[in-house]
Amino acid sequence: SAVISQKPSRDICQRGTSLTIQCQVDSQVTMMFWYRQQPGQSLTLIATANQGSEATYESGFVIDKFPISRPNLTFSTLTVSNMSPEDSSIYLCSVEWDSSYNEQFFGPGTRLTVL
Amino acid sequence: GDSVTQMEGPVTLSEEAFLTINCTYTATGYPSLFWYVQYPGEGLQLLLKATKADDKGSNKGFEATYRKETTSFHLEKGSVQVSDSAVYFCALGFGNEKLTFGTGTRLTIIP
Repeated sequence: SAVISQKPSRDICQRGTSLTIQCQVDSQVTMMFWYRQQPGQSLTLIATANQGSEATYESGFVIDKFPISRPNLTFSTLTVSNMSPEDSSIYLCSVEWDSSYNEQFFGPGTRLTVL
Repeated sequence: GDSVTQMEGPVTLSEEAFLTINCTYTATGYPSLFWYVQYPGEGLQLLLKATKADDKGSNKGFEATYRKETTSFHLEKGSVQVSDSAVYFCALGFGNEKLTFGTGTRLTIIP
């Protein structure tokens, strides 16, 4: 299995600002994913980030709002831009460990509150 | 599109009770199926998985069997403990694609 860390673990931000979340993996992985978990809700995929190519965004999510970087096989960042209270969520990164079955391991999450 | 339907919660049980959390899915093809668990204040952890029909995934006393004929993957445990209190998510996935999650079921075990 992979060990995944995220920074920050939580933050409280003001409306209109931006926050960059980091995701670090202890081994090289091809596919990384960013999910959002709104309060009391299930997980929704924001985008898929492969090293060396642009991130692929799901319907309802756009690059201007959630820019993603994937500079190497062990690291990725997600930026939440021009935040509003509706962006208050837990943001999780995950990595695909077994591509045959899409087994994914998740980071501990970043709990974001926007005032 | 693909979807996962989970038994609505919250579910409250007494310690040592039998647990079933229902999960059914809709998908084109034959996905892998997963149960993830989220303990209070923690991230999502893979609990068990099954990759083909009739496979049984098991871990920590939990079991789930991939039933193609009923498109189900119900989670069971014979005797729950207080430490099992968490939110449980059923999910499906195809290789190199996103996971599709159910809405989650909050389980509370009372001593």
